[in-house]
Amino acid sequence: SQQGEEDPQALSIQEGENATMNCSYKTSINNLQWYRQNSGRGLVHLILIRSNEREKHSGRLRVTLDTSKKSSSLLITASRAADTASYFCGTYSGGGADGLTFGKGTHLIIQP
Amino acid sequence: SQTIHQWPATLVQPVGSPLSLECTVEGTSNPNLYWYRQAAGRGLQLLFYSVGIGQISSEVPQNLSASRPQDRQFILSSKKLLLSDSGFYLCAWSVSGGVQPQHFGDGTRLSIL
Repeated sequence: SQQGEEDPQALSIQEGENATMNCSYKTSINNLQWYRQNSGRGLVHLILIRSNEREKHSGRLRVTLDTSKKSSSLLITASRAADTASYFCGTYSGGGADGLTFGKGTHLIIQP
Repeated sequence: SQTIHQWPATLVQPVGSPLSLECTVEGTSNPNLYWYRQAAGRGLQLLFYSVGIGQISSEVPQNLSASRPQDRQFILSSKKLLLSDSGFYLCAWSVSGGVQPQHFGDGTRLSIL
């Protein structure tokens, strides 16, 4: 079953604008990770945020985590055409080497 | 640096035929290895993971199987493919389960006719 659900499913904005994507999950987590997937390619890791963290930054990316609401958001500032991709959140509940549980993703299109 | 390779990149197979997808990792030892499937319009579904040679854990019962004959080699197999096996298959590795980022290969696009 899917743990994370990204919202919106699709987002189209103008280059230079900020893009915000949300992720909701159902059970308690050890960490939440955001990934980017360009068309026909594998996933690329962006940011990992642990359950005891509330916010992390990496370049133009900002991730927040609200464990009380079981939700996370990914903000991409000053978007570029190269940011066009699908973005997934993956959750890890802990307890071993098992993998991540992903949502269906948000497809982001940056209009030039 | 570490790299992960998957092949083939695309594959078209008839229903009922066998399957073998291969994944290898370079530049690291004893990685955790994962097979995911991404069906059209859906997220990634974890199929199998492995913490060592010969150690396979299955997340979803189906007609697929996985094997890890060598430390950095992970193989996904089927004896008889079903139409529902179509999808994008991704292999990934990590240093230590889900507490660290996972690193994905470029995937295999499998179409069943």
